[in-house]
Amino acid sequence: GDSVTQMEGPVTLSEEAFLTINCTYTATGYPSLFWYVQYPGEGLQLLLKATKADDKGSNKGFEATYRKETTSFHLEKGSVQVSDSAVYFCALSDSGNKLVFGAGTILRVKS
Amino acid sequence: NAGVTQTPKFQVLKTGQSMTLQCAQDMNHEYMSWYRQDPGMGLRLIHYSVGAGITDQGEVPNGYNVSRSTTEDFPLRLLSAAPSQTSVYFCASSYSSGDRGETQYFGPGTRLLVL
Repeated sequence: GDSVTQMEGPVTLSEEAFLTINCTYTATGYPSLFWYVQYPGEGLQLLLKATKADDKGSNKGFEATYRKETTSFHLEKGSVQVSDSAVYFCALSDSGNKLVFGAGTILRVKS
Repeated sequence: NAGVTQTPKFQVLKTGQSMTLQCAQDMNHEYMSWYRQDPGMGLRLIHYSVGAGITDQGEVPNGYNVSRSTTEDFPLRLLSAAPSQTSVYFCASSYSSGDRGETQYFGPGTRLLVL
């Protein structure tokens, strides 16, 4: 079945550092890919998405490119802030609205 | 718009007790779903509904029941709680356009502890 693998955390960075969170997927079809973010004590909210190969999703300085050849959707940000501290989930949708999530990566940004 | 709301925020149950987790949305979304979040496992789909009167099982449906009598509400029932059901439960909703790229809107979650 479909699956998503993302790098284990926690990832601890200093403010203004470059961020990469790796995400790879396995799917039988051509899924849409998502990054959701969960801030402390809150539910998940969409950060960005891409619906076909070579699409780049971007939002709030974060970006990720749908790479079909490497089945990847890595999340990047050039300069993280303390307010970016959260749990980041990579997910795919290959059937209707159902989402398959990765395990999540905790990001801690220190000032 | 309140978005997706869930009650209660936190609940403690004893093994064997039953309870209903409430979920409501005011965005007129056809699609609603329940996920559970466990450490190191991300979120896993329990049940989902594509419209009033229509429900189906997700990845981990055992021990849970759902029904969808209105577009707005999608309650999750635990018939006989077990410690393995200790988790954080999230309800989500979206339009059901058939587009796999639809954004899901999540509620704030219900933290459940089964003793």
